[in-house]
Amino acid sequence: GAVVSQHPSRVICKSGTSVKIECRSLDFQATTMFWYRQFPKQSLMLMATSNEGSKATYEQGVEKDKFLINHASLTLSTLTVTSAHPEDSSFYICSAKMTGNSPLHFGNGTRLTVT
Amino acid sequence: GEDVEQSLFLSVREGDSSVINCTYTDSSSTYLYWYKQEPGAGLQLLTYIFSNMDMKQDQRLTVLLNKKDKHLSLRIADTQTGDSAIYFCAESMDQKVTFGTGTKLQVIP
Repeated sequence: GAVVSQHPSRVICKSGTSVKIECRSLDFQATTMFWYRQFPKQSLMLMATSNEGSKATYEQGVEKDKFLINHASLTLSTLTVTSAHPEDSSFYICSAKMTGNSPLHFGNGTRLTVT
Repeated sequence: GEDVEQSLFLSVREGDSSVINCTYTDSSSTYLYWYKQEPGAGLQLLTYIFSNMDMKQDQRLTVLLNKKDKHLSLRIADTQTGDSAIYFCAESMDQKVTFGTGTKLQVIP
């Protein structure tokens, strides 16, 4: 089946630094990738949608300059949390889908802790 | 706007069947999904159903869709302790996917 790899699975960083999270589709070409944030005991909140080769579309309330998304190839999207603060600590999950009507496949998520 | 609702918690005994329910509001949904999330992990796609289907069965999993009532259910037969997790239903139209709040399934040995 379709596999999405997300790296790293856990990261701890100091306040003010930047962190990059990678999302790769291993056995399919993902024309669209999605980034979500999940707070404890809550559902997923869509942050942004990225299409290969174009700018990401951010959901309302998500700062595009803080959460930089790059989808440079059909198998890789990255999320960079810039100038991280403790309130950015969360579980970030990516998902990917092929073209047309196809289901979403998720990565295993990244637990970000900002100290 | 779209709204997907689930009950928060379900407890069943090992070996019994579990039924997790979900209601949604967007009648133009094309796909409806069930995902499983274990602690600290991402979401695992369990199954999905096209909106023009009523039922889909895959081994221990049975999905029922009542499009008139906008109700989706996931039945897990012979529930095992390894089925303990949070289950999310989701609906999609085009590229937009809306997730439910998740149902925590607790399996009692």
